[in-house]
Amino acid sequence: QVQLVQSGAEVKKPGASVKVSCKASGYTFTSYGISWVRQAPGQGLEWMGWISAYNGNTNYAQKLQGRVTMTTDTSTSTAYMELRSLRSDDTAVYYCARRGEGYYASGGYYYYMDVWGKGTTVTVSS
Amino acid sequence: QSVLTQPPSVSAAPGQKVTISCSGSSSNIGNNYVSWYQQLPGTAPKLLIYENNKRPSGIPDRFSGSKSGTSATLGITGLQTGDEADYYCGTWDSSLSVWVFGGGTKLTVL
Repeated sequence: QVQLVQSGAEVKKPGASVKVSCKASGYTFTSYGISWVRQAPGQGLEWMGWISAYNGNTNYAQKLQGRVTMTTDTSTSTAYMELRSLRSDDTAVYYCARRGEGYYASGGYYYYMDVWGKGTTVTVSS
Repeated sequence: QSVLTQPPSVSAAPGQKVTISCSGSSSNIGNNYVSWYQQLPGTAPKLLIYENNKRPSGIPDRFSGSKSGTSATLGITGLQTGDEADYYCGTWDSSLSVWVFGGGTKLTVL
């Protein structure tokens, strides 16, 4: 079955970096993109960006530009999300999700997130 | 402030029906498909509805989606206590070139 397995919880100090992994199985990795979504304690879902596993193209949320990098390793079907210069408000559960897609009859792609990982808790604290 | 507006909470009795609204604009809901996600307490979100009204395999037909203009609606019939969760709408925003989520709606089954 389609599955996304994420790396374990992390505790980091302010200013440090964190790299979360997301290993995919049960489907052809390069046929889908991977989205990253985070959720601060008691808050809603925040889209961070996504990456095409086919060609590595990325699209990041404006507020994270310059601090986030998403990559993939097609040899291991694994996606990575690195967040730098961590602050206390980066404390959150980080989810990866497979990016399902289709093509509008009028042209252009549409997307949705059809399979989610269980999440990785990242705590930023001095 | 979320680009998509959802009511913070809704409630209904077991067996009843509830609807959750998601309001946006022409740059997002008005011209793009909407998807809905269910997040049970302490778990990861799960896809409930995609392409405005399609259900993935395994999602019961008690869950339905619709869209009209710049608003979308999630409907749940035959409410069960196990439906208590946070529900989020999401779509692409063509003007911002980003994916956007609604702020989420907490469903309580009384």
